[in-house]
Amino acid sequence: DGGITQSPKYLFRKEGQNVTLSCEQNLNHDAMYWYRQDPGQGLRLIYYSQIVNDFQKGDIAEGYSVSREKKESFPLTVTSAQKNPTAFYLCASSGSTGNIQYFGAGTRLSVL
Amino acid sequence: SQQGEEDPQALSIQEGENATMNCSYKTSINNLQWYRQNSGRGLVHLILIRSNEREKHSGRLRVTLDTSKKSSSLLITASRAADTASYFCAMNFGNEKLTFGTGTRLTIIP
Repeated sequence: DGGITQSPKYLFRKEGQNVTLSCEQNLNHDAMYWYRQDPGQGLRLIYYSQIVNDFQKGDIAEGYSVSREKKESFPLTVTSAQKNPTAFYLCASSGSTGNIQYFGAGTRLSVL
Repeated sequence: SQQGEEDPQALSIQEGENATMNCSYKTSINNLQWYRQNSGRGLVHLILIRSNEREKHSGRLRVTLDTSKKSSSLLITASRAADTASYFCAMNFGNEKLTFGTGTRLTIIP
């Protein structure tokens, strides 16, 4: 099956802890994106990457970090500096930037 | 900051009726896309309309674009219970990103 896989589906973070959300795609897409969605809200861009070993900050990058060491993988780390991490996190990929995006099923992060 | 606004925020209609939701934006676009999100799931692409197009159809979906008014509408005809979801417009302003609207939560009453 081609698509985007996010894991885990649910994640709990303790105060002061860093947690990493996984995103893997087998669509051979160059561009990948991370979004945050708060209840009843739209999507806000955290980070995006157009090519391996390169990524750019989105609108709300503070408290988050990413890496893009492989074309198919774009993990997101929610650091302890992110004081309000509770949200639904969505990963997406695109065959070319600005075009149709394909989304994973999301990871719901909560704070213990 | 978000550059796309949708209205209404929520819409409830009877099954079989048509549903219309609107999206407005502030600066010129390259293309505009509509996505659907079922509760607690990822988004699914529905339709893309380019800035030089005025109307597109896909099954029961009809999208219009008025670049002079900087607005787009999504019409779902003959609605079904399975159409219950949130719908988002997303604007491509000619760069590498999409900017998503605030969403319309559609409920179809059987």
